[in-house]
This record gives sequence, C-alpha cells and structure tokens, in this order.
Amino acid sequence: AQSVSQHNHHVILSEAASLELGCNYSYGGTVNLFWYVQYPGQHLQLLLKYFSGDPLVKGIKGFEAEFIKSKFSFNLRKPSVQWSDTAEYFCAVWSPGGAGSYQLTFGKGTKLSVIP
Amino acid sequence: GAGVSQTPSNKVTEKGKYVELRCDPISGHTALYWYRQSLGQGPEFLIYFQGTGAADDSGLPNDRFFAVRPEGSVSTLKIQRTERGDSAVYLCASSSGTDGNTIYFGEGSWLTVV
Repeated sequence: AQSVSQHNHHVILSEAASLELGCNYSYGGTVNLFWYVQYPGQHLQLLLKYFSGDPLVKGIKGFEAEFIKSKFSFNLRKPSVQWSDTAEYFCAVWSPGGAGSYQLTFGKGTKLSVIP
Repeated sequence: GAGVSQTPSNKVTEKGKYVELRCDPISGHTALYWYRQSLGQGPEFLIYFQGTGAADDSGLPNDRFFAVRPEGSVSTLKIQRTERGDSAVYLCASSSGTDGNTIYFGEGSWLTVV
C-alpha cells in the first residue's frame, strides 16, 4: 500500500524565516503529488500540485514544491513565512489503491506555527 | 454554493446510535470521496463513488459503515451502532476529472460519540 511520510510533526518559525517541509512517498510508479493546507477552523485547501513537466511547482501564497523522483520526495518550501501561514500542511499522493482504483493518500500532516 | 457542502457540521451522538452524514458535491463533479480524519492524523480514505456506484470501498473500516449516492450527486455516509472510536471529522470531497486528479474538500462533519 502507498505510504506518505511527513518528517516533521510540528515546526515553529519566526516571521521571515525560510520554510521547508519534507514529504516522501513509497509508490514507485507514476504519481500525482499535492500539498494541501488547513488553516485553523477551515477546510482543506489545495496549495499546489504536480502532475508532470517542470518538477519545480509554484503554488498560491508564495509556496513552491520540488518533485525529486529519485528520492521519492516532494518537499514544500517558502522563502519567507508570515504569521498568516500558521496552519497544518498535508502532503498527498494520487496513486493506485485498493479495488483497482486510484486514491489520494495523505501524510499525517505538519503543523506550522509562525511567531510574529 | 460553489464548494462541497457537508451537513451537519457537528454531531454528538450516544454510543450505539445510528448516524447519517450528508455531502453535496460541487455541481457537475462525477467523482465523490469520503475520508475520515482523526485527531493528529491525516485524512484516511473510506470510499469513492464514480457516478452512482461505489467504485472503491476498500477504506471502510467495517460493516457498520455504509455510503450511498443514489442519484449520482448527493451522498450519505451511514454509521450503525456507533462506537467511541468512530469520533473523528468525516470529510467529503469531489472532483470532475477534467483538471487532473484535483480533489476539492468540504469543511467536514465533526462526529463525537459519547
């Protein structure tokens, strides 16, 4: 079964610090990769996605992620975080699941706290 | 509305009771998903509908859980004989299939079994 690992459970940064959140997945075939964000009290929102092409993907609010196939990784980055980036971030991988269909498998999430 | 709508937003029920959670997907989306998110965890897949049929129900934890989508739009997740371990946020999501595999989530139904 597909697994998605997010290395950090909780990250605390000061405003203007740079951010990198790790994500690794296990499936060796073609995958579609996503980062979702969940702000406090809100629903999951798509931050960015990778399907094919340029492995460096830019998303909303200054976030970007790099797909490195050889490392099975899709790390999320932002050069300078803001207090409003405080949220929980989920990496997800679209790949074959049970019963022959495709599923979106999520990591456990990384909580980001940005201190003003 | 434009997004995925879920009701109720919060539900408290007693152990052993029956619960229904409703999802109204984005208009025109043929694919509908149910996920469950427990505290401190990422969303876990439960079931996937393509149209009216359950294309993949491999994530349903046991036979107390059942979901339907009789007309290919609104879906209901049904939980029988609820247990305290069923307490979680139940997320519904939908996709059109025309923008890759992008899935759009609702705000979830928070179920607490006491």
